[in-house]
Amino acid sequence: QLQLQESGPGLVKPLETLSLTCSVSGGSISCDSCYWGWIRQPPGKGLEWIGSISYSGRTPYNPSLKSRVTISLDTSKNQFSLKLSPVTAADTAVYYCAGIVDYEQKTFDYWGQGTLVTVSS
Amino acid sequence: DIQMTQSPSTLSASVGDRVTISCRASQSIITWLAWYQQKPGKAPKPLIYKASNLESGVPSRFSGGGSATEFTLIISSLQPDDSATYYCQQYISYPYTFGQGTKLEIK
Repeated sequence: QLQLQESGPGLVKPLETLSLTCSVSGGSISCDSCYWGWIRQPPGKGLEWIGSISYSGRTPYNPSLKSRVTISLDTSKNQFSLKLSPVTAADTAVYYCAGIVDYEQKTFDYWGQGTLVTVSS
Repeated sequence: DIQMTQSPSTLSASVGDRVTISCRASQSIITWLAWYQQKPGKAPKPLIYKASNLESGVPSRFSGGGSATEFTLIISSLQPDDSATYYCQQYISYPYTFGQGTKLEIK
């Protein structure tokens, strides 16, 4: 059973870089049928897909965030990461990492618990 | 982008009721639709994929249906534990998009 866990700073200053890491256990991220992604949820609001990455390195991003987002894989640590820069108060949200293990049939079927990131000086 | 619209936004029902939540896509997504359940302070929990396939471990009182642009999530006999917000999500094309959510309350 896959388990995902987000980590990173809970407070980021405006115009700086938000950096989060998702550690995956119970399976390998080096998986041809898998995609790994980030979804966020501003307080009291709905879900927004940020972007995803495949083992082959394909990185579809949400066009609304594309100019500010980078998602990368670290297979040696079985982790993937999100960088968002520069940030504003509108980027304050709970950030979830999630995995798709059979992208030909399914979407995000494994989720981390989420981590709240607040953008404030 | 494909817009996903859920109705109703909020719903109040009694234990044992049959509950239906609707999700409409702005263009055909065939059956590339998922449903999630989210409780306060928790991550979304996948319920259904490809419009009508139940995720492992999800109670059989949940079912999904529809195709193209019209989809439904049905709870056949509402239980107290079903109080949550429910989201649909299309995954036929990027950017993946979610409905705005339906908050289900138990009377």
